[in-house]
Amino acid sequence: AQSVTQPDIHITVSEGASLELRCNYSYGATPYLFWYVQSPGQGLQLLLKYFSGDTLVQGIKGFEAEFKRSQSSFNLRKPSVHWSDAAEYFCAVGVFNFGNEKLTFGTGTRLTIIP
Amino acid sequence: NAGVTQTPKFQVLKTGQSMTLQCAQDMNHEYMSWYRQDPGMGLRLIHYSVGAGITDQGEVPNGYNVSRSTTEDFPLRLLSAAPSQTSVYFCASSYRAQRDPSYEQYFGPGTRLTVT
Repeated sequence: AQSVTQPDIHITVSEGASLELRCNYSYGATPYLFWYVQSPGQGLQLLLKYFSGDTLVQGIKGFEAEFKRSQSSFNLRKPSVHWSDAAEYFCAVGVFNFGNEKLTFGTGTRLTIIP
Repeated sequence: NAGVTQTPKFQVLKTGQSMTLQCAQDMNHEYMSWYRQDPGMGLRLIHYSVGAGITDQGEVPNGYNVSRSTTEDFPLRLLSAAPSQTSVYFCASSYRAQRDPSYEQYFGPGTRLTVT
């Protein structure tokens, strides 16, 4: 079965600083990988996804993530954070064989931005 | 499009009561799912459906029932509520594009349920 680990429960960064959120996955085949963001009191919104091809994927709101098969990682990055980026971020791995479609989420990383 | 809608937004139940959380989507999505979100545990899949008339269990199905009689609706039933079911419940739907089988899920705003 697939699993996702987000080792950082809470990260605090200064506005304008760079950001990297870590995600490690476990899955026997090539995974489908996702990053979602959840603002307070809201549902989840997709930031980006990796399916195949270029291992560096660009998403919305200036985020990017890099798939590294050798490290089983899919870390999320942003060169300069804005106060509006404060939210909880979830990494997820998907299994999408017909009749077995499941998305497994990590436990999330809460991002706090300080002025 | 309204997207994914969930009702109610908030609900308080007493132990042993039953209720149905409603979920509807107007995007003609094949795939729908229910998650619960608990502090420190992320989202855990309760049940999912890959089309009308087809449902399957997720990671934490005990105490919940689902059915999918139409493409649009995917209600979640709590049979006999327990305090352990206090949580925030999210419904999601996704469209399977032929060229991109990586389902992008669209989430509803959630239902906050408290069982006393």
